[in-house]
Amino acid sequence: AQKVTQAQTEISVVEKEDVTLDCVYETRDTTYYLFWYKQPPSGELVFLIRRNSFDEQNEISGRYSWNFQKSTSSFNFTITASQVVDSAVYFCALYEGGSGNTGKLIFGQGTTLQVKP
Amino acid sequence: DTGVSQDPRHKITKRGQNVTFRCDPISEHNRLYWYRQTLGQGPEFLTYFQNEAQLEKSRLLSDRFSAERPKGSFSTLEIQRTEQGDSAMYLCASSLAFKGTSGNKNTQYFGPGTRLTVL
Repeated sequence: AQKVTQAQTEISVVEKEDVTLDCVYETRDTTYYLFWYKQPPSGELVFLIRRNSFDEQNEISGRYSWNFQKSTSSFNFTITASQVVDSAVYFCALYEGGSGNTGKLIFGQGTTLQVKP
Repeated sequence: DTGVSQDPRHKITKRGQNVTFRCDPISEHNRLYWYRQTLGQGPEFLTYFQNEAQLEKSRLLSDRFSAERPKGSFSTLEIQRTEQGDSAMYLCASSLAFKGTSGNKNTQYFGPGTRLTVL
């Protein structure tokens, strides 16, 4: 069965600290996609990144970086030099892209990040 | 290119009333999704359309819920005889379904949501 686990419920850091959000997923599909979304207090889910199951190349984009490891079924997200505007709930999500894919995203329960000035 | 829009943003209703929400996807997107999010939880899938066809419905979508996408553009989600347990944020998302891997195709972009409160 598909499942996404974000074990960290809440994280609080002081501005300029680095912070890593953990995500572990379960799927039987060999073709799948993993996503991170940000949900600020306004409520709208903002797409951050997508990774395909066959692309384990990690990426850095500005202050954001992602670490995808199929061997441990993890897709972790790091914010370097955090800022107050990074305060939000972050969701990891799984999309199974095989021939029988259902089109739906499976979300984790989210990690609330609070960045204090 | 405008994003996904939803209307209304907030809805307060009394138990037993019917409510209808509207979602306008990104114009070239052929897939449209509805999710429900309760406080402190991640969004949960309700249903999705590819063009006009409703391809999957979650078990969460009871008989009181119905969704339509009549012309393959906007969609409506109706809840009949609302219950207090229906209080949640209803999120709409759209994507361009594509079998390739390039770019952000198959990525779902979300609207601002409709927050429903059933008294």
